Amino acid sequence: AQTVTQSQPEMSVQEAETVTLSCTYDTSESNYYLFWYKQPPSRQMILVIRQEAYKQQNATENRFSVNFQKAAKSFSLKISDSQLGDTAMYFCAFMMSADKVIFGPGTSLSVIP
Amino acid sequence: DAGVTQSPTHLIKTRGQQVTLRCSPKSGHDTVSWYQQALGQGPQFIFQYYEEEERQRGNFPDRFSGHQFPNYSSELNVNALLLGDSALYLCASSLAASGNTIYFGEGSWLTVV
Repeated sequence: AQTVTQSQPEMSVQEAETVTLSCTYDTSESNYYLFWYKQPPSRQMILVIRQEAYKQQNATENRFSVNFQKAAKSFSLKISDSQLGDTAMYFCAFMMSADKVIFGPGTSLSVIP
Repeated sequence: DAGVTQSPTHLIKTRGQQVTLRCSPKSGHDTVSWYQQALGQGPQFIFQYYEEEERQRGNFPDRFSGHQFPNYSSELNVNALLLGDSALYLCASSLAASGNTIYFGEGSWLTVV
């Protein structure tokens, strides 16, 4: 069975600084998708970034980028130029194609003015 | 283009009662999944519906049941409510043919008293 682990329950960062959230996962599959979701206090689950396991190139979306290490089963999220609106819970998630999404326990990120 | 819509937004039920939550998928999507998110935890997969049938199910008791209609909308039913069923219930939709992008609704907050 696949599992997702996030070892940092809480993190904080100064506004405009860079922060990295960690995620590891366990699977015996070779084709899968990895996601980072943001959940602000409104509880809307917002997709931040997506990575296909077959792609070696790390995904980037504006200020958000990932460091995908397939052999190490590691998938960290880097947020550059942190903004107050980045304050939220961040969930790392794993999915096989058209399958259920398996979420990690989340990391609570606070951006400090 | 409407995203995933869920109703009701909030509701309070008494222990032992039954509840029905509703979800309309994003336009063009044919697969609906339901997740339960307890406070302070990541979402847990309940079940997934495709072509009006339950395609896969997570580790939830039979008190949790669902339905998908010909227009792809879906219902989640929970019978004999327990205090522990209090949670945010998230609906997610996707397209089976592509299966690699999941969109979430804003959720239904259920409080069991």
